[in-house]
Amino acid sequence: AQSVAQPEDQVKVAEGNPLTVKCTYSVSGNPYLFWYVQYPNRGLQFLLKYITGDNLVKGSYGFEAEFNKSQTSFHLKKPSALVSDSALYFCAVRDVNSGNTPLVFGKGTRLSVIA
Amino acid sequence: GAVVSQHPSRVICKSGTSVKIECRSLDFQATTMFWYRQFPKQSLMLMATSNEGSKATYEQGVEKDKFLINHASLTLSTLTVTSAHPEDSSFYICSARATGAGNYGYTFGSGTRLTVV
Repeated sequence: AQSVAQPEDQVKVAEGNPLTVKCTYSVSGNPYLFWYVQYPNRGLQFLLKYITGDNLVKGSYGFEAEFNKSQTSFHLKKPSALVSDSALYFCAVRDVNSGNTPLVFGKGTRLSVIA
Repeated sequence: GAVVSQHPSRVICKSGTSVKIECRSLDFQATTMFWYRQFPKQSLMLMATSNEGSKATYEQGVEKDKFLINHASLTLSTLTVTSAHPEDSSFYICSARATGAGNYGYTFGSGTRLTVV
């Protein structure tokens, strides 16, 4: 079975400081990993993905994530947070060999960037 | 890139009435559509998977007679909440898988906020 854990319900950082939103996953095979952001009453907006290749993935709006196979983690990072980054962030996973199946989501982490 | 258009964005209905939510893939063919439900401050819960031309597959605990899914064409899937009750109030999001899309195929609609009064 596939699963995603986002251990923090909420993360608060000051504007200009680096931010990290944690994610660990569990799949039976190799993972496809995704990060999405959700603003109030909106759908999910894609940030970045890891499929294969470089472990450090760069995505939209200055976000990046590092795939760590040994730690089964895919933490989301940004060097300098903006107030506009405040939103709900979801990590999602799919097993490479799971065919046409939906993504499995973590419970989400609410990021608050304080001016 | 691949776009999924979801309508309506917000709907308020009376108890006992039915509400239809549409998701259209605008520039690709969506053979599979996933329907999610999101409770306040919670994650997305997969409700069902719809495949064009066949019956939807529902997740455990989701009433198929209450949440009717139709996927009659490669560009349109609908979710109808029948005989809605206040406990059906939630945020519903569809997702389609598009091969070759930049995000490796998972595109989400903008969501529908359903309020049953």
